[in-house]
Amino acid sequence: EPEVTQTPSHQVTQMGQEVILRCVPISNHLYFYWYRQILGQKVEFLVSFYNNEISEKSEIFDDQFSVERPDGSNFTLKIRSTKLEDSAMYFCAYQQVSGYGYTFGSGTRLTVV
Amino acid sequence: GIQVEQSPPDLILQEGANSTLRCNFSDSVNNLQWFHQNPWGQLINLFYIPSGTKQNGRLSATTVATERYSLLYISSSQTTDSGVYFCAVLPTDSWGKLQFGAGTQVVVTP
Repeated sequence: EPEVTQTPSHQVTQMGQEVILRCVPISNHLYFYWYRQILGQKVEFLVSFYNNEISEKSEIFDDQFSVERPDGSNFTLKIRSTKLEDSAMYFCAYQQVSGYGYTFGSGTRLTVV
Repeated sequence: GIQVEQSPPDLILQEGANSTLRCNFSDSVNNLQWFHQNPWGQLINLFYIPSGTKQNGRLSATTVATERYSLLYISSSQTTDSGVYFCAVLPTDSWGKLQFGAGTQVVVTP
């Protein structure tokens, strides 16, 4: 079972609405990431986050997306105005220390209608 | 960017059979992992294996970094092994950006 809980597990939202996806790691990890997987496709990198700053982001991660760690524990991904093509499974991931493997969260399935 | 190719794309096995999944990558990597995506969509980490060989129960993996490939072996397959198996690599010029292959869809029939 994934060590990282994501909430909600499934969210349905109307196009144009804002959504916030949450990731709750169990212990104090340093490196955080968001990935997404459109149904039937590859898992794609969105953004990496280290020391409360974005360290790298993909072309997908445009101005509609933002990430933060507001309370030093939860790690959130916000999509300001959802589009149909944002429908996907969103995963947060962490790496406890650099040079070790990545652990993925349980995922949030986002459906935009 | 780095290319990650997995083969075969689909695999149907009878319970008890053995199989080998392959992952080829086009450039040097610092990290290679194998994941199993279960029917609920969760990505379960199977192996962190940038080089060498590891075993965990009926699963084992080998990465030959100098030849840029990795193999995942499933022995005595069970129906619970069904799902999609992904290989993901971290290129040496990247920091934190895993590149995933397209996956191998495995179906194990009773």
